[in-house]
Amino acid sequence: DGGITQSPKYLFRKEGQNVTLSCEQNLNHDAMYWYRQDPGQGLRLIYYSQIVNDFQKGDIAEGYSVSREKKESFPLTVTSAQKNPTAFYLCASHRLGGSTDTQYFGPGTRLTVL
Amino acid sequence: GDSVTQMEGPVTLSEEAFLTINCTYTATGYPSLFWYVQYPGEGLQLLLKATKADDKGSNKGFEATYRKETTSFHLEKGSVQVSDSAVYFCALSVDSSASKIIFGSGTRLSIRP
Repeated sequence: DGGITQSPKYLFRKEGQNVTLSCEQNLNHDAMYWYRQDPGQGLRLIYYSQIVNDFQKGDIAEGYSVSREKKESFPLTVTSAQKNPTAFYLCASHRLGGSTDTQYFGPGTRLTVL
Repeated sequence: GDSVTQMEGPVTLSEEAFLTINCTYTATGYPSLFWYVQYPGEGLQLLLKATKADDKGSNKGFEATYRKETTSFHLEKGSVQVSDSAVYFCALSVDSSASKIIFGSGTRLSIRP
């Protein structure tokens, strides 16, 4: 089945450590996105990429980094510079071009800083 | 700038009650409008969408009509079930390919048996 996978589902990190969240899609989508979700709030865009080896900052990119070496993969690194990293992180992908479409979401990774 | 405002939750209803979750938007041009649903511990799933004025999106008994004159896209269901308990997000996209989506803050819905 085609879809988006995120791993791990739960992640714990000590303060001062970097951690990388995985996102893989087999939908052959061009664009991939990372969002952060905090309790009682909507989704905020961290980074997005529309093509391999290229990505752009979203609204809250500080303290995060990404790479897009393959079309299928878009890992997110939460660095020690991110002051409040505990949140639910959602990856999405999207087919560019054609008629109006939507973004498809993975199941999410819940990150907790201890 | 472009934005989405939806009614604050939580909303608690009894099974078989009628549901309305209000959503209004501000956007330049002619946005596409979406409702997403998030079940506990999961990602978002597209529930329904509408791409132009007066379009009605529908799925799983839910429906919403794109009202340009009132800039609204209210979600309705005639008879809710316990399994409808989730968080519902209203969202818009101002580009035709939905490459950038702006989300509302979400409304938590709880249904009592």
